Amino acid sequence: GQNIDQPTEMTATEGAIVQINCTYQTSGFNGLFWYQQHAGEAPTFLSYNVLDGLEEKGRFSSFLSRSKGYSYLLLKELQMKDSASYLCAVIQAGTALIFGKGTTLSVSS
Amino acid sequence: DTGVSQDPRHKITKRGQNVTFRCDPISEHNRLYWYRQTLGQGPEFLTYFQNEAQLEKSRLLSDRFSAERPKGSFSTLEIQRTEQGDSAMYLCASSVDTITGELFFGEGSRLTVL
Repeated sequence: GQNIDQPTEMTATEGAIVQINCTYQTSGFNGLFWYQQHAGEAPTFLSYNVLDGLEEKGRFSSFLSRSKGYSYLLLKELQMKDSASYLCAVIQAGTALIFGKGTTLSVSS
Repeated sequence: DTGVSQDPRHKITKRGQNVTFRCDPISEHNRLYWYRQTLGQGPEFLTYFQNEAQLEKSRLLSDRFSAERPKGSFSTLEIQRTEQGDSAMYLCASSVDTITGELFFGEGSRLTVL
């Protein structure tokens, strides 16, 4: 089975940087995804990591350490529209994507 | 619109009734997934298909739930003898036929069981 942990809630202010952590325990690891989900909407893809290291995409970056079973999503220059739930998800060989419970980020002015 | 579409978007039913949801994936996507999501939780995996073959079904899934993808295109998810605990958002997603294909989600079908 898989176990995925991430904080339930986080708060930050506009313009700041926030790091959302995710730890996982799994076998046959085939990659880790981050999705963003605004309230009442479907999840949308943010990033995918399969090798150790940092992947940068605009204001968002995602880091993976396979040996530690650890990832983080880094959001820079926060905007109000970044208020959403951020979902960490892991894929094993031969199975579907399994999601964590999500981290609700609230950005205030 | 060439995204994933789901129907109906909202369904209110009485306990004990059967309900069916439909999902039309992105046309070139071979994989189709069903997830269930309740408030404050991440999507919970239910089942997935590669073309018409159902490759995996969650062990947590009651036998009241059944899914089909008869021609490898659209899929249906049926819940028989609904219970109040079935109230949730049912999300469908599709992806290309690779292990690491990005999932594209539909807007979901919200079920309320009274």
